[in-house]
Amino acid sequence: DSGVTQTPKHLITATGQRVTLRCSPRSGDLSVYWYQQSLDQGLQFLIQYYNGEERAKGNILERFSAQQFPDLHSELNLSSLELGDSALYFCASSVNPRSGNPSDTQYFGPGTRLTVL
Amino acid sequence: GQQLNQSPQSMFIQEGEDVSMNCTSSSIFNTWLWYKQDPGEGPVLLIALYKAGELTSNGRLTAQFGITRKDSFLNISASIPSDVGIYFCAGQTNFGNEKLTFGTGTRLTIIP
Repeated sequence: DSGVTQTPKHLITATGQRVTLRCSPRSGDLSVYWYQQSLDQGLQFLIQYYNGEERAKGNILERFSAQQFPDLHSELNLSSLELGDSALYFCASSVNPRSGNPSDTQYFGPGTRLTVL
Repeated sequence: GQQLNQSPQSMFIQEGEDVSMNCTSSSIFNTWLWYKQDPGEGPVLLIALYKAGELTSNGRLTAQFGITRKDSFLNISASIPSDVGIYFCAGQTNFGNEKLTFGTGTRLTIIP
């Protein structure tokens, strides 16, 4: 158990809909990362938040957005869903991305499997 | 998005055999990580490497950070059934937690 929790475990929805994925980081971790894992693209970085603020953006579509709340949990919002958005979405957390401490690495949650029909 | 080249894509071995896999990049990374993913689960960190040339072990697993900073290797000795899964390398440009760039994965299957 990594200490990172994600809900829901599975989500089935229809094209055009909007969903919210939730992540609670490990206790004490300030930074949250979202990744998408699909069969054709592998594991891809989407976005990073640190202590409530957006820190870095990766291959995140404009239809997707995220935020990190004062209690440090994060939500990933996916809207106008398309069939191609079906994937596993992982959240990871770490203590402090710029501490310079090499041991501050990322630990992953169990993921949310999104199926768009 | 960028993915690191990982080989082999898949391996079929017998229990007790040793396993080797590698990961290469066209750009330099300052941190290399190896993760294992079981079906329906998130990646689990196996080994982290922070220095070029570094050789680090974790039980039966040994990983090396290539001298050029553009590659890394993972060896598993005396494989056991619970080693089955997908192994991913990941690189970071900066120390401590900028985004991870993942490899394409190596699927390990153990033949009974």
